[in-house]
Amino acid sequence: QSVLTQPPSASGTPGQRVTFSCSGSSSNIGSNTVIWYQQLPGTAPKLLIYSNNQRPSGVPDRFSGSKSGTSASLAISGLQSEDEADYYCSAWDDSLNGLVFGGGTKLTVL
Amino acid sequence: EVQLLESGGGLVQPGGSLRLSCAASGFTFSSYAMSWVRQAPGRGLEWVSTLNGGGGSTYYADSVKGRFTISRDNSKNTLYLQMNSLRADDTAIYYCAKALAGSYSRLDYWGQGTLVTVAS
Repeated sequence: QSVLTQPPSASGTPGQRVTFSCSGSSSNIGSNTVIWYQQLPGTAPKLLIYSNNQRPSGVPDRFSGSKSGTSASLAISGLQSEDEADYYCSAWDDSLNGLVFGGGTKLTVL
Repeated sequence: EVQLLESGGGLVQPGGSLRLSCAASGFTFSSYAMSWVRQAPGRGLEWVSTLNGGGGSTYYADSVKGRFTISRDNSKNTLYLQMNSLRADDTAIYYCAKALAGSYSRLDYWGQGTLVTVAS
């Protein structure tokens, strides 16, 4: 059971906009910034969004993040087939004094 | 170019020990916190441990506390994870990851991982 809650799956068609949710608590998302990772099949995770809504260089602006209270969201606009991957949210948890992850959302591009 | 190369994984019996290494290059190793994150087969990401740049502050997941020890040798640009009393549920790919400056949680570079299998 993951500390952060994510829906296990999502899907969309090319060109569509999809969003992923991530729900936490006051000790993690409520008091710290949210990070999102993309994991393509058979590869290591890649930093996608940090500090709730910041993109590292090289990440397309089709990817955006937001946070409100104890929840966060990742949005992908102009969906592409290469976006098919697992997406994980993460945050530092002040009560656990450690990093916590969501269970991941598997995105299927139809 | 930042590179992280894990090694030391393999097959070990329950109750055994293993030491993982992560050789880092392309950045000033001692200036950044480093973490280990694992992923059991077909499962999600699970944080294991974090160590600050100077090596003086360590953090562990409850699932490994007392069994695993994270350390670093800044003169060798290498991160370690000593794993003792291994259990079947420790079976996973173990990734080392570098944190963004001034952060413990924002992991901007990841290695390709090393597979640890605990089985008799």
